[in-house]
Amino acid sequence: GAVVSQHPSWVICKSGTSVKIECRSLDFQATTMFWYRQFPKQSLMLMATSNEGSKATYEQGVEKDKFLINHASLTLSTLTVTSAHPEDSSFYICSASEVSGANVLTFGAGSRLTVL
Amino acid sequence: GEDVEQSLFLSVREGDSSVINCTYTDSSSTYLYWYKQEPGAGLQLLTYIFSNMDMKQDQRLTVLLNKKDKHLSLRIADTQTGDSAIYFCADSSGAGSYQLTFGKGTKLSVIP
Repeated sequence: GAVVSQHPSWVICKSGTSVKIECRSLDFQATTMFWYRQFPKQSLMLMATSNEGSKATYEQGVEKDKFLINHASLTLSTLTVTSAHPEDSSFYICSASEVSGANVLTFGAGSRLTVL
Repeated sequence: GEDVEQSLFLSVREGDSSVINCTYTDSSSTYLYWYKQEPGAGLQLLTYIFSNMDMKQDQRLTVLLNKKDKHLSLRIADTQTGDSAIYFCADSSGAGSYQLTFGKGTKLSVIP
């Protein structure tokens, strides 16, 4: 079946630095990928829709200059958290759509970011 | 806006059936999903149901949909300790819409 790989699975960084998280579709091409953020004991919040070859579409309230998304190929989307602060600490999950009639998304295993 | 609601906790004994309930508000929901999230991991699609179906069964899983009441349930038969996880209900609207609205998740605890 479809597999989505995220890297790194966890990262610790100092406040003020930038962190890049990769999301790869391993055995299918994904023209669209999604980035979610999950706070402890909360649901997933959609941050943005990443479109291959074009700009990402951000959800209301998500700072596009803070969370840079690049979808340079049909198998790779990256999320860069710029000038990270402790409040950016969270679990970030990506998902990718493999075209099907059921709108089935495949999720990555998530990346836990801790900003000190 | 759209909203998906779930109870936050459910505790069952091993071998019993678990029923996780979900309500949603978007009347144009086309597909409804159940995802499972184990600690520290991403989401795993368990099953989904198209909005014109009332029921879908897949091995130990049974999904019931009451479209009139906008109520979705997931029944897990013969619940095992490995079923302990958080279960998310989600809906999407419209063909080609991969944007899902998730509930807050129900934490299922299975007592040996």
